[in-house]
Amino acid sequence: DTGVSQNPRHKITKRGQNVTFRCDPISEHNRLYWYRQTLGQGPEFLTYFQNEAQLEKSRLLSDRFSAERPKGSFSTLEIQRTEQGDSAMYLCASSLEAGEGYTFGSGTRLTVV
Amino acid sequence: KNEVEQSPQNLTAQEGEFITINCSYSVGISALHWLQQHPGGGIVSLFMLSSGKKKHGRLIATINIQEKHSSLHITASHPRDSAVYICAGIGGKLTFGQGTILTVHP
Repeated sequence: DTGVSQNPRHKITKRGQNVTFRCDPISEHNRLYWYRQTLGQGPEFLTYFQNEAQLEKSRLLSDRFSAERPKGSFSTLEIQRTEQGDSAMYLCASSLEAGEGYTFGSGTRLTVV
Repeated sequence: KNEVEQSPQNLTAQEGEFITINCSYSVGISALHWLQQHPGGGIVSLFMLSSGKKKHGRLIATINIQEKHSSLHITASHPRDSAVYICAGIGGKLTFGQGTILTVHP
């Protein structure tokens, strides 16, 4: 297992376009988390899944954002009608229950122009 | 008010100095992660603590459950330790502290 994998590493998109990011967690981890980090700030929680169930969503996750984990393995995060304020690093992490083995992916850096 | 408070926000040290970063957290957090992030780099989990003390090389992390307080210590600091250190409380999701920017000068 190569850890938590995120694709793409970088994405540049025009304002108004839709983008989708993918996260492949460590295979035996049943929890998967999405965070967003802007330059000079700490990560902010967006949402997390236990298996395929989305257990919590932040108020930061507006209706333009949607996340899925259909089979309890990989997850996708989609942003519709991107805005310049969406430019950030989007981080995925996975863990066993209760936070054991918490591992971050390298992130997807989104730039909206 | 953030559920996880970290101090100091910035820390500058000379190579070889002993460094301490502090973290206080609120009710509802059952354990803490200490994380390290280099500029432009990914986040690496250093420790996960729910009680006591853990040591890995020159890094030591302690947690006091009663006082809801944790510390990260770096012994014999080195310029390659320069990074942002973040404590994050575990209560389902992670709740992050503000981070401590550590700069170690040779």
